[in-house]
Amino acid sequence: GNSVTQMEGPVTLSEEAFLTINCTYTATGYPSLFWYVQYPGEGLQLLLKATKADDKGSNKGFEATYRKETTSFHLEKGSVQVSDSAVYFCALQRTNSNYQLIWGAGTKLIIKP
Amino acid sequence: DAGITQSPRHKVTETGTPVTLRCHQTENHRYMYWYRQDPGHGLRLIHYSYGVKDTDKGEVSDGYSVSRSKTEDFLLTLESATSSQTSVYFCAISEVGGGTEAFFGQGTRLTVV
Repeated sequence: GNSVTQMEGPVTLSEEAFLTINCTYTATGYPSLFWYVQYPGEGLQLLLKATKADDKGSNKGFEATYRKETTSFHLEKGSVQVSDSAVYFCALQRTNSNYQLIWGAGTKLIIKP
Repeated sequence: DAGITQSPRHKVTETGTPVTLRCHQTENHRYMYWYRQDPGHGLRLIHYSYGVKDTDKGEVSDGYSVSRSKTEDFLLTLESATSSQTSVYFCAISEVGGGTEAFFGQGTRLTVV
């Protein structure tokens, strides 16, 4: 079946550090892949996405590349800020059954000044 | 921001009572979803709708029912609330197709005592 596995958190970094949050998936077909971010007390919002193999999604300094050979979609940022502190969710979108989203468990990121 | 409103935002209820949560959208999106968010579980789909009066179950639908009599409103009902249904509930909307973004409401924090 379809599933998403994220690295467990919390991940604690100092400001300006390099960030990687790992995400791997299991899916049939060619799903679309997403990263969503949830700031404290808010709903989720789309951070970036990729819809086919080798696509790179990017937004606000974050990047992730759709790697079909390793079934991965790792989130990276070169220099994190305190304002990046949030929970990050990796998700895949099924290619059938009404395009449902399958979610990872979320990774809490804490950035210390 | 996408026009999606959840009500109430917070609710405390007693075990055994029925509870209804409302999701209202102004975007005319076809798909609407109810998720619950619990620590360590990410988001789990309860029910979703793909049109007026067209609904289907998600992975954790037991104890929940939904109704969609108008495009803009999607109601989630807990028939007889239990403590295991204490959670944060999110409504989401999306359009049809692969790679489409889901937009989330602010969430409803429900406590069953």
